[in-house]
Amino acid sequence: QLQLQESGPGLVKNSEALSLTCTVSGDSISSGDYFWDWIRQPPGNGLEWIGTIYYTGTTYYNPSLGSRVTISVDTSKSQFSLNLSSVTAADTAVYYCARRTRTGRYLGLWGRGTLVTVSS
Amino acid sequence: QSALTQPPSASGSPGQSVTISCTGTSSDVGVYNYVSWYQQHPGKAPKLIIYEVSKRPSGVPDRFSGSKSANTASLTVSGLQAEDEADYYCTSYAGTNKLVFGGGTKLTVL
Repeated sequence: QLQLQESGPGLVKNSEALSLTCTVSGDSISSGDYFWDWIRQPPGNGLEWIGTIYYTGTTYYNPSLGSRVTISVDTSKSQFSLNLSSVTAADTAVYYCARRTRTGRYLGLWGRGTLVTVSS
Repeated sequence: QSALTQPPSASGSPGQSVTISCTGTSSDVGVYNYVSWYQQHPGKAPKLIIYEVSKRPSGVPDRFSGSKSANTASLTVSGLQAEDEADYYCTSYAGTNKLVFGGGTKLTVL
């Protein structure tokens, strides 16, 4: 059964980097039919699209996050990762990874999400 | 890339219909038929309920329907049931493989 699972530290210090990994099981991350996305949700607030990666390594990011965000892929491990630098309290959120259909542009499968808290 | 505009709340009684709007621009909703809707219950991950404006994934009840006119997309929930109480988010393709979300609407079943 296809599943996405986020993993990484639940607590990150202010001004440091946040790093999360999404492991894809039950399907190939190298399928050309999908993009692999990161989305976040601050406590009590709405969803924000962070960015996406294709299995070739091509990436697209939310302009609002500027150069702080980097998404990478490791096809040999069926994983893709998020790195967000210079975090502040505003980056405290539940982070979700999701699979996006390349042609339909929708997020058909989501991970359960992982809460990352930025502490001072 | 600004967020799509949704009403913060909506409500209806069981059996009634409710419509949630999602307003974008001519750079996203208005130009692409790639609007999708997600349902999120408290503490859970979002779940896809509508894609490509009006299509329903397998297993989603036909009480959920979607439409679009110009820069505004809409989600209609007919025959409201208690389990429909949740947050609903719209998303639109915004070109160059980017997505933009709406702010979310909390649906209350009275």
